[in-house]
Amino acid sequence: DAKTTQPNSMESNEEEPVHLPCNHSTISGTDYIHWYRQLPSQGPEYVIHGLTSNVNNRMASLAIAEDRKSSTLILHRATLRDAAVYYCILSAVFGNEKLTFGTGTRLTIIP
Amino acid sequence: EPEVTQTPSHQVTQMGQEVILRCVPISNHLYFYWYRQILGQKVEFLVSFYNNEISEKSEIFDDQFSVERPDGSNFTLKIRSTKLEDSAMYFCAKAILQGKDYGYTFGSGTRLTVV
Repeated sequence: DAKTTQPNSMESNEEEPVHLPCNHSTISGTDYIHWYRQLPSQGPEYVIHGLTSNVNNRMASLAIAEDRKSSTLILHRATLRDAAVYYCILSAVFGNEKLTFGTGTRLTIIP
Repeated sequence: EPEVTQTPSHQVTQMGQEVILRCVPISNHLYFYWYRQILGQKVEFLVSFYNNEISEKSEIFDDQFSVERPDGSNFTLKIRSTKLEDSAMYFCAKAILQGKDYGYTFGSGTRLTVV
């Protein structure tokens, strides 16, 4: 499985943007970049995914480096509800491809 | 898109007993998964289930584990003879491959405590 590297923890003030980095220098051409998050006492939750181009959805934006060896999840205006562990995961194909979770980044939001 | 519902939310069982964890995804999905998370550790893949068959399983998923989709709607994980180290959160997941609801949707989990 292609590996990702994320900081163990980050803090951000409420209502400010948050940039969560992920390095994936061994990414292959067919790997999609997924981001999931896990709120306390809950299952993982899909946030966003992309292949090459930057992506936006109602939850977040995903900025992918031109060489695809890194990406950044952007929460435009953090709320207390965004406090969670964020996982950056590479997955080659969809459907039958399992997700391999790392330790992720624990995001703390400061009121 | 409706949530994945798991039952029970918490189960306590004695070592050596059989447990069945249940998941209710939408019946027209093809891809289902079980994951587990031991307290304080990573989320770990157990097994994937495609078209009513196991398509991949991890080293954790040994002969003590089995999965079924008995009625086309429910999806179950059975542990035949539980061990203390089976204590964990167990998450069921389904995959949606296209459209605005794309992604893997996880249930809120069953906390299994083996005593």
